[in-house]
Amino acid sequence: AQTVTQSQPEMSVQEAETVTLSCTYDTSESDYYLFWYKQPPSRQMILVIRQEAYKQQNATENRFSVNFQKAAKSFSLKISDSQLGDAAMYFCAYGRSNFGNEKLTFGTGTRLTIIP
Amino acid sequence: KAGVTQTPRYLIKTRGQQVTLSCSPISGHRSVSWYQQTPGQGLQFLFEYFSETQRNKGNFPGRFSGRQFSNSRSEMNVSTLELGDSALYLCASSRQGANYGYTFGSGTRLTVV
Repeated sequence: AQTVTQSQPEMSVQEAETVTLSCTYDTSESDYYLFWYKQPPSRQMILVIRQEAYKQQNATENRFSVNFQKAAKSFSLKISDSQLGDAAMYFCAYGRSNFGNEKLTFGTGTRLTIIP
Repeated sequence: KAGVTQTPRYLIKTRGQQVTLSCSPISGHRSVSWYQQTPGQGLQFLFEYFSETQRNKGNFPGRFSGRQFSNSRSEMNVSTLELGDSALYLCASSRQGANYGYTFGSGTRLTVV
C-alpha cells in the first residue's frame, strides 16, 4: 500500500520569506500523480499544485513550486514571498495511475503559520 | 461558476441513528468522491461515484454507503451511528477522477453524541 509522510507537523515563516514543506512517499509503481492541497480554516481543501510522475519538469503555479525527486520519492513544496493568506494546513497526496480506480492517499498535513 | 456544495454544514446525531449527507458537484463533473477527516486518522477515502456507478471503495464498514443521481449529485449515508463516526466529511468532484485534481466542498461536520 502507498504511504505518504509529512514529517513537519508545524512550520512558520516570516511574511515575504520563502518556506519549504517536505513530503516523502512510498510506492512500487513508476507512474502516478502527486498533489499539494491547502486547507484554510474555512475547511475547504484547495488544489495548490499537481505533478505527473512521468514528467521530469517540476510543476509551478505562481509563487508555488515543487521539487520532485522521483528516485528519492520526495515531493517538497516551496512557497515564495509568503503571504498571510497562505496560512493553512497543507496536505501532500499520492494518486495511483489506474484509470477508473483512482483515489488519493493523503499525508498527515503540515500546519503553516505566517508571521507578520 | 458554482463550486461544490455540501449540505448540511453541521449535524448533531445520537448514537444508533442514521444520517444522510448531500453533495452537489461542479457542473460537468461526473466523478464525486467522499473522504472522512478526523484528527486521529487524517483524511481517509470512503468511495467514488462516476456516472451513477460506484467505481471505487475504501476500507469502511458496510454502514457507510452512497449513491449518485443522474444529475451527478451524490449522497452518502451512515447507518447505526457510532461515536467514532464523528468527523468532517468532505465531498470532492472532478471531471474524470482524482488524478485530474479535485474541487472540494466545505464539508459536513458530523458530531455523534
